Amino acid sequence: SQTIHQWPATLVQPVGSPLSLECTVEGTSNPNLYWYRQAAGRGLQLLFYSVGIGQISSEVPQNLSASRPQDRQFILSSKKLLLSDSGFYLCAWSYTGSSNQPQHFGDGTRLSIL
Amino acid sequence: AQKVTQAQTEISVVEKEDVTLDCVYETRDTTYYLFWYKQPPSGELVFLIRRNSFDEQNEISGRYSWNFQKSTSSFNFTITASQVVDSAVYFCALSGHTGTASKLTFGTGTRLQVTL
Repeated sequence: SQTIHQWPATLVQPVGSPLSLECTVEGTSNPNLYWYRQAAGRGLQLLFYSVGIGQISSEVPQNLSASRPQDRQFILSSKKLLLSDSGFYLCAWSYTGSSNQPQHFGDGTRLSIL
Repeated sequence: AQKVTQAQTEISVVEKEDVTLDCVYETRDTTYYLFWYKQPPSGELVFLIRRNSFDEQNEISGRYSWNFQKSTSSFNFTITASQVVDSAVYFCALSGHTGTASKLTFGTGTRLQVTL
């Protein structure tokens, strides 16, 4: 069966510090991978998605970047965090090939910026 | 642009009551896909159901049922005989028929509180 791992679960960072959140998927090959952010009391906003190694699509302009160095690894990064980067970050995967595939989510990372 | 509206921000019911969560969507795509997810207090999103735009048949899974009405652009979710374990935030989402990635547009969610 497929599993998705996300870490860390919780992170407190000062403004201006760098960020690296990691997500890995097991049990499937060439998945589509996604990063979402959920602000407090809000819905989920798609930040990035990837359909293959090195292929990253950005949905919203922001202070963040994403990379996919390996087939089942997806990394969310920032060089200098802003207060507005606080939120709950969720990684997800889906089978490739069609937009009708449901996405399966990790447990999320709660990021607080001080 | 796609849009999903969940007008009910929060609903409180007593256990064993039936409850319906509303979802209204907007899209220009003729083929699209609708989803419901559950987010328990622990935070992860759990996939519940997917519905294709060309299949308006309603679906029942145990205490859960979904009513898809294309004429009113609605995809409502009913929980029958609610239980405390149903307490969570429920999200409705929409994906267009474009490309190879399912880019989901989420509603803002409905928080369901089931009490004894």
